[in-house]
Amino acid sequence: QQQVKQSPQSLIVQKGGIPIINCAYENTAFDYFPWYQQFPGKGPALLIAIRPDVSEKKEGRFTISFNKSAKQFSLHIMDSQPGDSATYFCAASMIGGADGLTFGKGTHLIIQP
Amino acid sequence: DAGVTQSPTHLIKTRGQHVTLRCSPISGHKSVSWYQQVLGQGPQFIFQYYEKEERGRGNFPDRFSARQFPNYSSELNVNALLLGDSALYLCASSLWTGGDQPQHFGDGTRLSIL
Repeated sequence: QQQVKQSPQSLIVQKGGIPIINCAYENTAFDYFPWYQQFPGKGPALLIAIRPDVSEKKEGRFTISFNKSAKQFSLHIMDSQPGDSATYFCAASMIGGADGLTFGKGTHLIIQP
Repeated sequence: DAGVTQSPTHLIKTRGQHVTLRCSPISGHKSVSWYQQVLGQGPQFIFQYYEKEERGRGNFPDRFSARQFPNYSSELNVNALLLGDSALYLCASSLWTGGDQPQHFGDGTRLSIL
């Protein structure tokens, strides 16, 4: 059972555009939602995270939008650059739990110059 | 400061063998988690250790085991290797346990089973 569904699987955007990656979760016990960026040959790196008591969070060019009633959240990358080309993963966990992060399947993002 | 370090970076084994993967967390981090990342998929949680005790376990068979040492480093052991165990094994450390603790990942050990 896939508890976190991520889309699209791949995405191509022109430089300066705003790629949007969407995730939906099933387990209502999840209360922490991070996004990770992974470059080839590297481990995932934490970009930004949100808790369900807020609907939006911005850090630099990265913004998370969160819709608790729909059990969906999304990542927006403003003024995208070729260096943002990577695989992005959404994840979810329970703050009081020790079951680790549940990841989506990832989105392969390419920013064309 | 050094990040999470994992060794070896690459490993080739044959079916039925045993493997031990090692992880050194960021200095000051007391929690270590292990994940398996199959090519083209997101990481899947295997174990979490905190203060040398297992705090969480994912849906993996008993062939997978781990331990954490007094210096907070950790080992992941996999027995009776199967072809399906071929994957990138990631270690992540955090200051302490808790689902909202930022997980800092190493670059992983690429395990190939022949």
